[in-house]
Amino acid sequence: DQQVKQNSPSLSVQEGRISILNCDYTNSMFDYFLWYKKYPAEGPTFLISISSIKDKNEDGRFTVFLNKSAKHLSLHIVPSQPGDSAVYFCAARATGTASKLTFGTGTRLQVTL
Amino acid sequence: GAVVSQHPSWVICKSGTSVKIECRSLDFQATTMFWYRQFPKQSLMLMATSNEGSKATYEQGVEKDKFLINHASLTLSTLTVTSAHPEDSSFYICSAERPSGVYEQYFGPGTRLTVT
Repeated sequence: DQQVKQNSPSLSVQEGRISILNCDYTNSMFDYFLWYKKYPAEGPTFLISISSIKDKNEDGRFTVFLNKSAKHLSLHIVPSQPGDSAVYFCAARATGTASKLTFGTGTRLQVTL
Repeated sequence: GAVVSQHPSWVICKSGTSVKIECRSLDFQATTMFWYRQFPKQSLMLMATSNEGSKATYEQGVEKDKFLINHASLTLSTLTVTSAHPEDSSFYICSAERPSGVYEQYFGPGTRLTVT
């Protein structure tokens, strides 16, 4: 049972344009969401997070939007840069489970010149 | 800050042998560490939660006798894959939780295990 889903396994965006990565979840007990960036053979790197009491969080080129009613969140990267090419995972934490994270399946972003 | 290391970064072992992987938080104390496993082109699957000074909590379907976890100190957790088989070949990643109030996990670089 995949509680966190990233339905697009890959995404290709031109440099300078906006990258939008999507994530859907099914567990209504999730109250905190995170995005991680991962290069091959490396551990994930934390990018940005959002609490369920907010609908938007911004950090530089990265913005995360949360739509609780739709159980959907998205990560916007603007402008996209070639160094952003990596696999992006969204993760969620449920109330009462301390810091245990459930990861999505990942989306491979390719930023082209 | 918030650096987590893993050792070794890759290991090849023969079927039937045991392999130990270390996870260290280098610049903070972590009461909780996590062990994940990632198959090619798949998500990170949580194997177990490791708490300093107590027994690890394993996720459903993870054999605790096969994947031994020891969290001996606030900066070190170890995962031992016992009697390894080729199907145990995978990428193992640990993370450490920095006590900052927001439960952020910082990940190690991972260990590639190949069992021949």
